[in-house]
Amino acid sequence: GAGVSQSPSNKVTEKGKDVELRCDPISGHTALYWYRQSLGQGLEFLIYFQGNSAPDKSGLPSDRFSAERTGGSVSTLTIQRTQQEDSAVYLCASSYYWTSGTYEQYFGPGTRLTVT
Amino acid sequence: DQQVKQNSPSLSVQEGRISILNCDYTNSMFDYFLWYKKYPAEGPTFLISISSIKDKNEDGRFTVFLNKSAKHLSLHIVPSQPGDSAVYFCAASARNAGGTSYGKLTFGQGTILTVHP
Repeated sequence: GAGVSQSPSNKVTEKGKDVELRCDPISGHTALYWYRQSLGQGLEFLIYFQGNSAPDKSGLPSDRFSAERTGGSVSTLTIQRTQQEDSAVYLCASSYYWTSGTYEQYFGPGTRLTVT
Repeated sequence: DQQVKQNSPSLSVQEGRISILNCDYTNSMFDYFLWYKKYPAEGPTFLISISSIKDKNEDGRFTVFLNKSAKHLSLHIVPSQPGDSAVYFCAASARNAGGTSYGKLTFGQGTILTVHP
């Protein structure tokens, strides 16, 4: 079946502009996550949606970052007034609600954001 | 505060030999651990996981060992193949306050594995 998809694959923007990144999770997955990977770094958690529960926003680095998930499926990550330090690969992942035994997050290919 | 650490940035191994990738964690609330593999320009791909109730989990050429007292886990790849060359990430998760689900993953910084023919 189809995996997690993200768009655009690459985005170049000028400092100060707003950007929107999109994620389409695997059908039937109730949980959706956003991470980012800066150059030479590991993956850094940003935000997590689980069903109808309030999202876990504890990883968002500033109030310029926000995300929403419409209809329990597609998610959009918005970065306002972009800064050069926002340049990174933004990765989306989805998973089933955890049940005993296994818990894996499946990742999309990422969006490479470059802020000039 | 790096709660998950992969202290070896890179590892080079000959084809057919064993690759051992190591990972240490500091948060005692972590009780589920995963290894991911990542090729350039692709998202991470799940490899293998282990719950804290186990000390070993095996899947084909991949085995993960967990030493809870040392807060250490390792991934063994036997035999190593050139196609295994990639960045390997260790990740950990803790249950939510209600103990009913897991949420975010905390990742190490990755180890670049190169398997030479």
